[in-house]
Amino acid sequence: DGGITQSPKYLFRKEGQNVTLSCEQNLNHDAMYWYRQDPGQGLRLIYYSQIVNDFQKGDIAEGYSVSREKKESFPLTVTSAQKNPTAFYLCASSIGEAGASTDTQYFGPGTRLTVL
Amino acid sequence: AQSVTQLDSHVSVSEGTPVLLRCNYSSSYSPSLFWYVQHPNKGLQLLLKYTSAATLVKGINGFEAEFKKSETSFHLTKPSAHMSDAAEYFCVSGGSNYKLTFGKGTLLTVNP
Repeated sequence: DGGITQSPKYLFRKEGQNVTLSCEQNLNHDAMYWYRQDPGQGLRLIYYSQIVNDFQKGDIAEGYSVSREKKESFPLTVTSAQKNPTAFYLCASSIGEAGASTDTQYFGPGTRLTVL
Repeated sequence: AQSVTQLDSHVSVSEGTPVLLRCNYSSSYSPSLFWYVQHPNKGLQLLLKYTSAATLVKGINGFEAEFKKSETSFHLTKPSAHMSDAAEYFCVSGGSNYKLTFGKGTLLTVNP
């Protein structure tokens, strides 16, 4: 059963704490992505990784960090420096054809983070 | 720079009537275009994808979209709405370096 899993589904954090969101894929995709979704704003790219041990900042990377030590895993850490972290976080992956605008991204079920 | 505009933030239809969700894009080249659907508290599911092979693209669940270069549009349609179609729909443009440009979404309500 191939796909993308994200855990946990719901996450609560106290202000000032770091928290790590998990994303795993068994699609053998090279590229992985993290997005943040806020009501009425669509999706905004936080970080993306085209290959293991490499990643790039997206449009809203401040206050977030990632790692890509394994092809199937791309965890996202929301740090205490992120001013407004309450949001729905979506992970995605794609085959990763170099430079291809046709590369289809497949999404996980998401994690809803709430800061108390 | 690319941009995607979904012309309606909310569309309401009756079950069994046609669905039209409108999307315009702005790009300096012929983009790849996608429609995704998102049910509440779920991830995004790909409905269909345009990659210049054919201007009329058929997707899952009876949806289709037509690429019109002269109008820079990629509207999503379905002949007959079903209650299960109620969700949020995103029009998305694909760009170089893996980056997607998302519209702000259209919430589709289906009334019995």
